[in-house]
Amino acid sequence: DVKVTQSSRYLVKRTGEKVFLECVQDMDHENMFWYRQDPGLGLRLIYFSYDVKMKEKGDIPEGYSVSREKKERFSLILESASTNQTSMYLCASSFGERKLFFGSGTQLSVL
Amino acid sequence: RKEVEQDPGPFNVPEGATVAFNCTYSNSASQSFFWYRQDCRKEPKLLMSVYSSGNEDGRFTAQLNRASQYISLLIRDSKLSDSATYLCVVNGNQGGKLIFGQGTELSVKP
Repeated sequence: DVKVTQSSRYLVKRTGEKVFLECVQDMDHENMFWYRQDPGLGLRLIYFSYDVKMKEKGDIPEGYSVSREKKERFSLILESASTNQTSMYLCASSFGERKLFFGSGTQLSVL
Repeated sequence: RKEVEQDPGPFNVPEGATVAFNCTYSNSASQSFFWYRQDCRKEPKLLMSVYSSGNEDGRFTAQLNRASQYISLLIRDSKLSDSATYLCVVNGNQGGKLIFGQGTELSVKP
């Protein structure tokens, strides 16, 4: 069964902390994505990657960075967490423009 | 204008009803269209792709109108288990990048 695994289901951090959200997929997909989902705003794309060591900004990259050192792993980094980054973070992967497979999400609270 | 816009929800319908969701998109060059379903506190999952000629999967029918840049999802004979948020998804300017609509919440009541 295909799988996208996010490292934490719930995370609580303090303002100013550096936060790492990890995502691993076992489907050998080229494309990986990080979204955040907020009530009333839907899913918004933060960053995506077409291949190892490649990354592209999405619609709301400010305050975030990413790392893709291996094909199966895509990390989202909050350099200095702020309260407005409290959100549900969803990782996804796909092959070409075929369907997205999502992880179960990380609910991040920044206090 | 948002790249992908959906009908505002929530839609509250009785079991057995037929319900339709609409979605408009702004990028005339978009080639890939999908409907995803998201249950409460769960991740989105693909419900169906939308093809140019329209397509059907059981009680679900998807239509695409390129001229009007519009897609739709029709659900016939609604079940309680259809209660969820339905997300319209369209590919953007950059290759595999997919743009999500805000979602339309459906609640099917007994």
